[in-house]
Order: sequence, then structure tokens, then C-alpha cells
Amino acid sequence: TQLLEQSPQFLSIQEGENLTVYCNSSSVFSSLQWYRQEPGEGPVLLVTVVTGGEVKKLKRLTFQFGDARKDSSLHITAAQPGDTGLYLCAGASNTGNQFYFGTGTSLTVIP
Amino acid sequence: DARVTQTPRHKVTEMGQEVTMRCQPILGHNTVFWYRQTMMQGLELLAYFRNRAPLDDSGMPKDRFSAEMPDATLATLKIQPSEPRDSAVYFCASGLATGRPIPQHFGDGTRLSIL
Repeated sequence: TQLLEQSPQFLSIQEGENLTVYCNSSSVFSSLQWYRQEPGEGPVLLVTVVTGGEVKKLKRLTFQFGDARKDSSLHITAAQPGDTGLYLCAGASNTGNQFYFGTGTSLTVIP
Repeated sequence: DARVTQTPRHKVTEMGQEVTMRCQPILGHNTVFWYRQTMMQGLELLAYFRNRAPLDDSGMPKDRFSAEMPDATLATLKIQPSEPRDSAVYFCASGLATGRPIPQHFGDGTRLSIL
């Protein structure tokens, strides 16, 4: 099992604040995905990063893949209540077929 | 939008009973994944299929769990006999493998409680 540790585990912030979520491993992944999951629903894919050092932006969300492809970060600018949810990173094996999910970060944005 | 459909959404049963969970992948997707989510372990991959053939089921307890794809529109996960430790939310996800990596589309899960 390739362990992916996410930090922080829980985060509660005020609307308008910025935040960063980290996803770290000692293993190298061929790619990494970020998902958001809301209560009672399945995870929804936000982004996939493939190249070491790659940065992708999705509106107020910025995703970065570490140079060594062992870690990733998600930065949210000016958080909104709609950003509330469980954020999960998932690293893909060399074949790209198996995904190892991180421990999750539960984000609450208070209006 | 096309969605992965899982049934039932909720299941409560007594230990020792057989449980069958069903998944209808998105039409045209050739890869199906089964995951289990618990507070303690998070999301764990149980098994996955490509073009209906099982590629890996090493995440499943072999003695009681089985996964099949009778046809391209149906994937099943069975537990027999069920145990209280099997209580979890079981997710199915599908995707189209045209290259790496596969974007996974998740269903809303089956919440299973074994008493």
C-alpha cells in the first residue's frame, strides 16, 4: 500500500480566507488527482496533474504536483461556503490503473 | 449529465446474511472500480475491472467478498456471510481508459450496516 498523508485533517475558516491543503507520500506516483466529496455523495474529480512541478488552476483553486511526484498541494483563494467538503488526493500507480487515496482534509468555510 | 448509479443506497441487515450491491457504470466506460470508505481507513480500493475482466481484486477479503461484471452495464459486489466489520460505504466508480490516468466518476455509494 502506498500511503498518502493529508494535512491538516480538519480545517475551519472564515469566508474570504485563503488556505492550503497538503498531500504527502514517500512513494512516487505517475499522476495525482484531487477530489471533493460532499456528505452522502461520491467524490467528484477536480483535477489531474501528471508532470512533476505542474501547476493547474481551476478558478480560485490552484493545484501543484511536487517536482519528485511524491507530493501535491491544493490552495484555495478567498474561500466560500460552497467550498465546504472533504478534499481527497489520490495517487496513481505506474500502470495508471490503481489509485491510492489520501486520508482526507475536511474543510468547513463559515459564512 | 451521465452518472454512475448504485443500488441500494442504504442496506441494514444482520450478520451472516448475504449482501449484494449493484452498480451501473456510465455507458461507454470500460473500467469499473469498487471502493470501501470508513472513518478509520478512508477510501480503499477493493477491486477493478477492465472490459468486464477482473484486473485486480487484491484489496478484497477473498473468503467472503466477490465481484463480478455479468455484462457491460452491471457490476456487482457480494458479501457472504456479512460481518459487522463490513459496515462501511461502498462506492463504485467508472472511467474510460484511453491512456493514463483514468478520470474516475463515482456513484453516490451504498451505505451498509451489518448488525
